[in-house]
Amino acid sequence: EIVMTQSPATLSVSPGERATLSCRASQSISTTLAWYQQKPGQAPRLLIYGASTRATGIPARFSGSGSGTEFTLTISSLQSEDSAVYYCQQYNDWPPLTFGGGTKVEIK
Amino acid sequence: EVQLVESGGDLVQPGGSLRLSCAASGFTFTSYEMNWVRQAPGKGLEWVAYISGYDGSIYYADSVRGRFTISSDNAKNSLFLQMNSLRAEDTAVYYCARISVDMIRGYFDQWGQGTLVTVSS
Repeated sequence: EIVMTQSPATLSVSPGERATLSCRASQSISTTLAWYQQKPGQAPRLLIYGASTRATGIPARFSGSGSGTEFTLTISSLQSEDSAVYYCQQYNDWPPLTFGGGTKVEIK
Repeated sequence: EVQLVESGGDLVQPGGSLRLSCAASGFTFTSYEMNWVRQAPGKGLEWVAYISGYDGSIYYADSVRGRFTISSDNAKNSLFLQMNSLRAEDTAVYYCARISVDMIRGYFDQWGQGTLVTVSS
């Protein structure tokens, strides 16, 4: 099973500043990585797939990068509505499909 | 518009059973791979089970294999999860989630709103 590890657990960023979230895979997964955003009381929403491709309707301030075992989600200019928990998920070798533990982004 | 609507969540005693349903609309159900993903209170996401709409392949997480059964009714565009021998650690919001049709499959492009299962005496 591929283990996904996210850091930091919590990130506090001022509005307009950049937020950088990390995700590490326990073995190489090429670019088969997705990012999701989950706000309180809501279902997760797909942000990024293929490590760097934005899903339909996702603002350009969200970008993904990385390959192999190290991945990054960047929110270039944090907006108040970006306060949420962000999860990465690998789909290189499954089942099982596995998620990271999440990073909570707070607005400072 | 794609919609996934879960139902069936409830309070159940340890050792009990429950059947969850997910009604799908707005897409060709048989062309997609469907899943159940759960989230324990205050915790992260855990994939639970998978079924292919086109060839019927089924997979389970180790934590539920032998206790849960995933199925679908293609005529009714519905997904189900039969949960037996429930444990306290099965307490979670259960989401119905669709895997995207893509050259490399495995990420979830549509999610339902979830249904809460509570296992407690």
